[in-house]
Amino acid sequence: GAVVSQHPSRVICKSGTSVKIECRSLDFQATTMFWYRQFPKQSLMLMATSNEGSKATYEQGVEKDKFLINHASLTLSTLTVTSAHPEDSSFYICSASRDATNEKLFFGSGTQLSVL
Amino acid sequence: AQSVTQPDIHITVSEGASLELRCNYSYGATPYLFWYVQSPGQGLQLLLKYFSGDTLVQGIKGFEAEFKRSQSSFNLRKPSVHWSDAAEYFCAVGTSGTYKYIFGTGTRLKVLA
Repeated sequence: GAVVSQHPSRVICKSGTSVKIECRSLDFQATTMFWYRQFPKQSLMLMATSNEGSKATYEQGVEKDKFLINHASLTLSTLTVTSAHPEDSSFYICSASRDATNEKLFFGSGTQLSVL
Repeated sequence: AQSVTQPDIHITVSEGASLELRCNYSYGATPYLFWYVQSPGQGLQLLLKYFSGDTLVQGIKGFEAEFKRSQSSFNLRKPSVHWSDAAEYFCAVGTSGTYKYIFGTGTRLKVLA
């Protein structure tokens, strides 16, 4: 099956620093990648949709300057949490679709971000 | 607006017992429906999906789900639960051509030995 690799799996950073999370589709070209945020014991909230070569589309309430998304190739999308604060601590998950219908998404294993 | 409701936050069953996890959705047209499983600290794995056709869908790990349009439901079932099934289960709804899956709040399954 298709594999999506997300790195790092866990990161601890100081308040005010920036953190980059990578999402790679290892054995397919991802037309679209998605970034989600998951608070403890809650569901996944879609943050943004990332298309290769174009600007990401952010969901309402998500600060685009805070959560920078770059989709430089068909196999890599990155999420950078800029000037991180403790309230940004969360579990971030990416997913990728390999066809235009997005009928099946492949999820990364997630990144636990802790901001001190 | 689309929405997904999973009424049960926690469910505990004994190993070998049958399981049913409930999912209700709200959507104007025929939705695409999914069940995902998440182990602690992990991403999501697709168990099964429904797009059209036979309303009883078979998935991986012995799971199945039935789409009932009249009840706006897509409940997940397994006849005999294994201890390794303990995890968080998410129901999701989506539509072809859009990029947004709406996830339910999840049901945490605990399996007693």
